[in-house]
Amino acid sequence: GESVGLHLPTLSVQEGDNSIINCAYSNSASDYFIWYKQESGKGPQFIIDIRSNMDKRQGQRVTVLLNKTVKHLSLQIAATQPGDSAVYFCAEKEYGGSQGNLIFGKGTKLSVKP
Amino acid sequence: GEEVAQTPKHLVRGEGQKAKLYCAPIKGHSYVFWYQQVLKNEFKFLISFQNENVFDETGMPKERFSAKCLPNSPCSLEIQATKLEDSAVYFCASSSLAGGLEQFFGPGTRLTVL
Repeated sequence: GESVGLHLPTLSVQEGDNSIINCAYSNSASDYFIWYKQESGKGPQFIIDIRSNMDKRQGQRVTVLLNKTVKHLSLQIAATQPGDSAVYFCAEKEYGGSQGNLIFGKGTKLSVKP
Repeated sequence: GEEVAQTPKHLVRGEGQKAKLYCAPIKGHSYVFWYQQVLKNEFKFLISFQNENVFDETGMPKERFSAKCLPNSPCSLEIQATKLEDSAVYFCASSSLAGGLEQFFGPGTRLTVL
């Protein structure tokens, strides 16, 4: 079936730099997306979501960009901190679809060097 | 509560034994989702509930897996006759919104089948 994938499995950045984590999706019917952060031994932590009627949404130090034309999603983290080190997953679903489950991508490990 | 609670944190079973996992959704959330994460990587959707009713069970291996969400009780996921490949972390998520939006995850139960 269709799935969500990630371009970069690992990303290493210097503390204070900005991080960009990318995600490609293939289901053209998907119109709701979420980014999760998963630290070792913990459950996924909701970061930010976006619906397809938007192309950008900002949170605290994070921005999600959605390009529906090329089916691409990105998470930007400003002034990356050591506490941002984790695996980041994007997930998709059909907004309002009969199935409520999320389809997750493979994850990108972000390592922040002090 | 304000967070999804899952018990136990760890569960070890011999192959062929039964395993039962519990989830208490965030108070006021009507939707509960179960996911399986193998090798800290991809998430596989198992089943979802709207209150005590099964919403979507397309991901469930029905011959050995069952789940319930009864009123005034934690939701449960039960695996009869566990197999080695059932070793994984099982996450429960809950949402207050229809359509599976804004799913908040619990800390997970790590099941090890020996």
